[in-house]
Amino acid sequence: AQKITQTQPGMFVQEKEAVTLDCTYDTSDQSYGLFWYKQPSSGEMIFLIYQGSYDEQNATEGRYSLNFQKARKSANLVISASQLGDSAMYFCAMREGEDTGTASKLTFGTGTRLQVTL
Amino acid sequence: ETGVTQTPRHLVMGMTNKKSLKCEQHLGHNAMYWYKQSAKKPLELMFVYNFKEQTENNSVPSRFSPECPNSSHLFLHLHTLQPEDSALYLCASSQDRSSRGKRGYTFGSGTRLTVV
Repeated sequence: AQKITQTQPGMFVQEKEAVTLDCTYDTSDQSYGLFWYKQPSSGEMIFLIYQGSYDEQNATEGRYSLNFQKARKSANLVISASQLGDSAMYFCAMREGEDTGTASKLTFGTGTRLQVTL
Repeated sequence: ETGVTQTPRHLVMGMTNKKSLKCEQHLGHNAMYWYKQSAKKPLELMFVYNFKEQTENNSVPSRFSPECPNSSHLFLHLHTLQPEDSALYLCASSQDRSSRGKRGYTFGSGTRLTVV
């Protein structure tokens, strides 16, 4: 079974609008971390936002926010005021278990390609 | 620049060639990773090194051979590859416990490998 599921292979959004990218996860651990990364065509994976399983508030980083619904095991990324430069692949990822520091293994979803249009 | 540098950016090699991918980080991270990214598939973890010691080999074929001479450098030696090994190979590093791991990995830009 997939641990990270991203059901939207592609999404379109108009510039300045908000968009939600879906992510559901599967784990039996009580402690885990959820991440979103952006991958532009250059190939580099860019960290966007992090949510810990024990964090009571939804994470926010500038125009990015994470809609964390623990009971539903979902961690959707919301991008507000989309910009043309937001066009990229977006990956949801999970670290299972306690953050023991080094060598944390992340499991990634298949990604969503976001295209921002004028 | 993310702080993780991968070279070369692009590589075309024949199935009988031997080549190496290089990854370098000067972020003070202790763990380094190789991931393979194929089209329409999730990133596949290949190898994990923690303080220069290999802690994970995710059933990777022996035609891929990693080397980690120190915490700042990671290599992936390639020999007798197959066309299906063509992919983007991403290197990453991660911070230690003091930062609570909240950034996950720092990635390089990857090496786009084509096996002909």
